[in-house]
Amino acid sequence: DGGITQSPKYLFRKEGQNVTLSCEQNLNHDAMYWYRQDPGQGLRLIYYSQIVNDFQKGDIAEGYSVSREKKESFPLTVTSAQKNPTAFYLCASSIDLARSTEAFFGQGTRLTVV
Amino acid sequence: KQEVTQIPAALSVPEGENLVLNCSFTDSAIYNLQWFRQDPGKGLTSLLLIQSSQREQTSGRLNASLDKSSGRSTLYIAASQPGDSATYLCAVRRGGFQKLVFGTGTRLLVSP
Repeated sequence: DGGITQSPKYLFRKEGQNVTLSCEQNLNHDAMYWYRQDPGQGLRLIYYSQIVNDFQKGDIAEGYSVSREKKESFPLTVTSAQKNPTAFYLCASSIDLARSTEAFFGQGTRLTVV
Repeated sequence: KQEVTQIPAALSVPEGENLVLNCSFTDSAIYNLQWFRQDPGKGLTSLLLIQSSQREQTSGRLNASLDKSSGRSTLYIAASQPGDSATYLCAVRRGGFQKLVFGTGTRLLVSP
């Protein structure tokens, strides 16, 4: 089954902790993305990567970090510098960054600060 | 700055009705527009992708249209079913890379 797998589904973080959200895809896509979703707001882009070992900041990158060591994997770390991390996080991928291609999404990780 | 608006924010209809969801965007210089479905607590499922050169796309009971010049897209759902209940999101793609700008969605409830 081809697709995007995000884990865990639910994650709880204490104040001051860093946590890492996993995103794996077996679609052989070059481009991967992380979005954040908050109630009443549209999805907002955190980071994106068009190829292994390359990634770029999106609109709300502060307090987040990513890596892209493998084509299949694009983990997101929510650092203690992120002031309001409670949100629903969605990972996506597409064949490449070309304008015409379709984006596919994972099932999301809900992060809660306790 | 591209802004995407979806109206209405919520819609409740009885089963069997045909319905239209609206999406408008402020900058007509888009490459394509994608409609998604999101069930509560779940990720996004792609429904339809319309390229900027296309006027409409169809998949089963769904039909999406695009009018770039007026900055509008509609998603038409025929013969609605309770299983269609979900939030529907539209997103436009523009810029030097494949950045999606999302609307805030229309929450649809179809009652049996």
